[in-house]
Amino acid sequence: GESVGLHLPTLSVQEGDNSIINCAYSNSASDYFIWYKQESGKGPQFIIDIRSNMDKRQGQRVTVLLNKTVKHLSLQIAATQPGDSAVYFCAEGGTSYGKLTFGQGTILTVHP
Amino acid sequence: DAGVTQSPTHLIKTRGQQVTLRCSPKSGHDTVSWYQQALGQGPQFIFQYYEEEERQRGNFPDRFSGHQFPNYSSELNVNALLLGDSALYLCASSRPGTGGEKLFFGSGTQLSVL
Repeated sequence: GESVGLHLPTLSVQEGDNSIINCAYSNSASDYFIWYKQESGKGPQFIIDIRSNMDKRQGQRVTVLLNKTVKHLSLQIAATQPGDSAVYFCAEGGTSYGKLTFGQGTILTVHP
Repeated sequence: DAGVTQSPTHLIKTRGQQVTLRCSPKSGHDTVSWYQQALGQGPQFIFQYYEEEERQRGNFPDRFSGHQFPNYSSELNVNALLLGDSALYLCASSRPGTGGEKLFFGSGTQLSVL
């Protein structure tokens, strides 16, 4: 069935470095992609989203890149801070109302 | 402006019991979705409610049911609880015109089935 997966389950970086979290998706019909950050004991927090008619979108310190040719999504975090430490999920949608398919997550650890 | 609120935050039940979880959407949002998140996994879609009706459903048995009220709040009911139902149950809401996809999540209800 359709699935969204992550290449790396854990990522450790130093404070101030740039972080890149990758995600592969398999449903070519998906036309909406979204990144969430989840801290311990909390629900997923929206970071940034992108539609399939775009290949790049920027937010505050974050950039999402979409490569539809290879079905790849990435989240770039600039000047990573200790507060960015969390689990990051990518999710895909656009094929049915309200149904987002989540990947298993990447644990980002930022060392001071 | 309150975000998505869920109650209770934690709940302990025994096998065979029934449970009701509650959710109030973010102000201005009219669509509510429910997700189940097992430990170490990404959230799994249960169903979505819009205009007081179930609009879309994931691969969950009929033991999982829900309701949406005229004020857009929602309940998730699970009957005949199994040990495997232990998980974090997340409610998410979205505003009109977004296709119910740009979801804003609450902090969840942690359900433990003993």
